[in-house]
Amino acid sequence: QKEVEQNSGPLSVPEGAIASLNCTYSDRVSQSFFWYRQYSGKSPELIMSIYSNGDKEDGRFTAQLNKASQYVSLLIRDSQPSDSATYLCAVNAGGGADGLTFGKGTHLIIQP
Amino acid sequence: DAGVIQSPRHEVTEMGQEVTLRCKPISGHDYLFWYRQTMMRGLELLIYFNNNVPIDDSGMPEDRFSAKMPNASFSTLKIQPSEPRDSAVYFCASSLIGGGGELFFGEGSRLTVL
Repeated sequence: QKEVEQNSGPLSVPEGAIASLNCTYSDRVSQSFFWYRQYSGKSPELIMSIYSNGDKEDGRFTAQLNKASQYVSLLIRDSQPSDSATYLCAVNAGGGADGLTFGKGTHLIIQP
Repeated sequence: DAGVIQSPRHEVTEMGQEVTLRCKPISGHDYLFWYRQTMMRGLELLIYFNNNVPIDDSGMPEDRFSAKMPNASFSTLKIQPSEPRDSAVYFCASSLIGGGGELFFGEGSRLTVL
């Protein structure tokens, strides 16, 4: 059974600091990796995708992938109160699979 | 684009009643997914369609659940009979491509079964 594990938090980070969110996955052949942000009472929205080992940067966000360790992370620099949300890690198994398996999410709180 | 449209946004019903949730995907998106979200289990994939054809329904919890996609712009998820443990937020999402392309989620249907 494919699993995606995240620390549920809450993770509390001071405004302006770096927030670091982590995710591990069980299926070694997974191909595509995503970070979604979900505000309370809202639907998930994509913020980052990553497909190959290494770092991918987009503005204040950096996704990091290490397939050998089956590990994905998301760094948020210069954290803002508006970044307070639940961050969902999602994985696509590849091999023709089309759906995403989601972790339960990490609740991030940015303290002003 | 209007995005993925779901209805109803909220549904409160009594155990044993039939529930029908509706979804209109983004025009041109060939993939449609139904997810269920609870605190305990997170987001779970129930079923997905490609070009209106059900591809994988292994996540559908029981025979009480069924889903259809009669055309490219409409899908339904039906629960009959409903039970209190079906209480959750049900999300519909669509995607332009498969294989892990970006999912665009609707606002969800919050179902409460008393």
